[in-house]
Amino acid sequence: GAGVSQSPSNKVTEKGKDVELRCDPISGHTALYWYRQSLGQGLEFLIYFQGNSAPDKSGLPSDRFSAERTGGSVSTLTIQRTQQEDSAVYLCASSSNRGKETQYFGPGTRLLVL
Amino acid sequence: GNSVTQMEGPVTLSEEAFLTINCTYTATGYPSLFWYVQYPGEGLQLLLKATKADDKGSNKGFEATYRKETTSFHLEKGSVQVSDSAVYFCALSHNTDKLIFGTGTRLQVFP
Repeated sequence: GAGVSQSPSNKVTEKGKDVELRCDPISGHTALYWYRQSLGQGLEFLIYFQGNSAPDKSGLPSDRFSAERTGGSVSTLTIQRTQQEDSAVYLCASSSNRGKETQYFGPGTRLLVL
Repeated sequence: GNSVTQMEGPVTLSEEAFLTINCTYTATGYPSLFWYVQYPGEGLQLLLKATKADDKGSNKGFEATYRKETTSFHLEKGSVQVSDSAVYFCALSHNTDKLIFGTGTRLQVFP
């Protein structure tokens, strides 16, 4: 079946602008995760959605970052007033509801803030 | 807190050489352990995993054994190929919780 998809694949924006990144998880997966991969910080967890539970936002680096998951499926990560240090590859992953299940990753969105 | 430490790269090998990439972890309880691989220009893919002590994960000739006594999950392959050139990430998680990754190890295999 279809894997995790993300859009756009690349995004170039100017410092101070807002950006929205989209993630379509694997159909039927109730858990959805956002990570960030950057040169200086490696792979970092950002936020985690599980079903109808309150999301785990413990990895969000600042209040400029937020995410929504509508209808238990598609998720949007929003970065407001982008800064150059936000430049990174933003990865989305999903997994099924069962414990210890594998997370499947999308191809990522490469964000460049000029 | 929970963390993963893996050897720094790059690891440079000739084709058919033996590969070991070391990974150790610090965690409460009994996490699941993973190796993910990122081939050039591609996304992260699960390579193998182990969910309890003494389990051995294996895939594509790669193996790793969950060693609770040494808190390790070293990745091994008996004979590497040029096509194995990639970045390898060790990671842990508790059930469906977030993945905590190591810094990644770049493997370069030359013919």
